[in-house]
Amino acid sequence: GDSVTQMEGPVTLSEEACLTINCTYTATGYPSLFWYVQYPGEGLQLLLKATKADDKGSNKGFEATYRKETTSFHLEKGSVQVSDSAVYFCALSLSFTGGGNKLTFGTGTQLKVEL
Amino acid sequence: EAGVVQSPRYKIIEKKQPVAFWCNPISGHNTLYWYRQNLGQGPELLIRYENEEAVDDSQLPKDRFSAERLKGVDSTLKIQPAELGDSAVYLCASSLENEQFFGPGTRLTVL
Repeated sequence: GDSVTQMEGPVTLSEEACLTINCTYTATGYPSLFWYVQYPGEGLQLLLKATKADDKGSNKGFEATYRKETTSFHLEKGSVQVSDSAVYFCALSLSFTGGGNKLTFGTGTQLKVEL
Repeated sequence: EAGVVQSPRYKIIEKKQPVAFWCNPISGHNTLYWYRQNLGQGPELLIRYENEEAVDDSQLPKDRFSAERLKGVDSTLKIQPAELGDSAVYLCASSLENEQFFGPGTRLTVL
């Protein structure tokens, strides 16, 4: 079946450090790939997405490139801030005819950024 | 534009009691989803609605869980009776096309 594997946390970084959170996937067909972020006490928010191979999603300084050859979608940011502390979820989506899609999530990676 | 609204935000009950969660999706979103998120895990789909029709409920434990989406707008997810293992965050999401928007969730604690 479809699955997403992401690196375990917590990941603890100093402010302005570089971030990489690894994500790989297994899927039948051609999924879309997503990164969601969950801040403490809040719901999931879409951070970025890519819908086909070699697409790069970006938002708020975060980037991820859809790599079909390595089935990966690693999340990167050049300089993290304390406000980036959250749990990050990698997910894949396969669409259904007629609307809707099914999101399959990884287990999440907690990021802690310290001053 | 208002986001997905869920209530209550927190619920504590004793095992064997019933509990219900309510979700109001974003206006105009035909597709509604219920997910369960266990501690330290990613969300897992329980049920997906297209308008008022449940089109994927394969992951819903039907012996104790039920859901409805009357009139294709609001939805209610019910557990009866609740078990200790049902403690989790229950998330509702809605979508118009392929981007899902999530509510804040209901954190259920079963004692």
